[in-house]
Amino acid sequence: GENVEQHPSTLSVQEGDSAVIKCTYSDSASNYFPWYKQELGKRPQLIIDIRSNVGEKKDQRIAVTLNKTAKHFSLHITETQPEDSAVYFCAASGSYQLTFGKGTKLSVIP
Amino acid sequence: EAGVAQSPRYKIIEKRQSVAFWCNPISGHATLYWYQQILGQGPKLLIQFQNNGVVDDSQLPKDRFSAERLKGVDSTLKIQPAKLEDSAVYLCASIPDRGLTYEQYFGPGTRLTVT
Repeated sequence: GENVEQHPSTLSVQEGDSAVIKCTYSDSASNYFPWYKQELGKRPQLIIDIRSNVGEKKDQRIAVTLNKTAKHFSLHITETQPEDSAVYFCAASGSYQLTFGKGTKLSVIP
Repeated sequence: EAGVAQSPRYKIIEKRQSVAFWCNPISGHATLYWYQQILGQGPKLLIQFQNNGVVDDSQLPKDRFSAERLKGVDSTLKIQPAKLEDSAVYLCASIPDRGLTYEQYFGPGTRLTVT
């Protein structure tokens, strides 16, 4: 089955700096790669996603890049704000099933 | 539209007891998922339904876990008997139709504590 590795497990940045979270996947058949933000005690919320026929996608301060050959994808958050502090999960999907990474706890220091 | 509903939100039981969780997906959503999220980890898929049929239950510990979606709408997940390691948040998610979108909509989850 699919295996998703996510790094780093924790990340602290100063407000206004950029944050980058990286994931690798194992199944070349995976074709959908979402990123979820989860605040303490709340449900995962989709923040951005990318399909395998696209190399990069951007939504305001958030961007995702995908390298299918290397089987890795990354989340980039620019101009971080304190409200970006949360746990971020990457996931990979084939056949409409999500396999999640273990998460990255992002702390944005004011 | 109303979101995915789950109940109860919290449950505390002793080991070896049984417990059931309920999920009502967004109206019209054909595919339903149950995930287990242990503290500090990402959600792990337990079972996937398409209407009232099971698509994949390969990661469901069938000696103690069971799930059903009899009328293709709401679903229940049961644990009997519970173990300490079952303490987790159980998330339900749904998507409208497997051909239309990949985005999964999550419910608020049920936090289970087994003592």
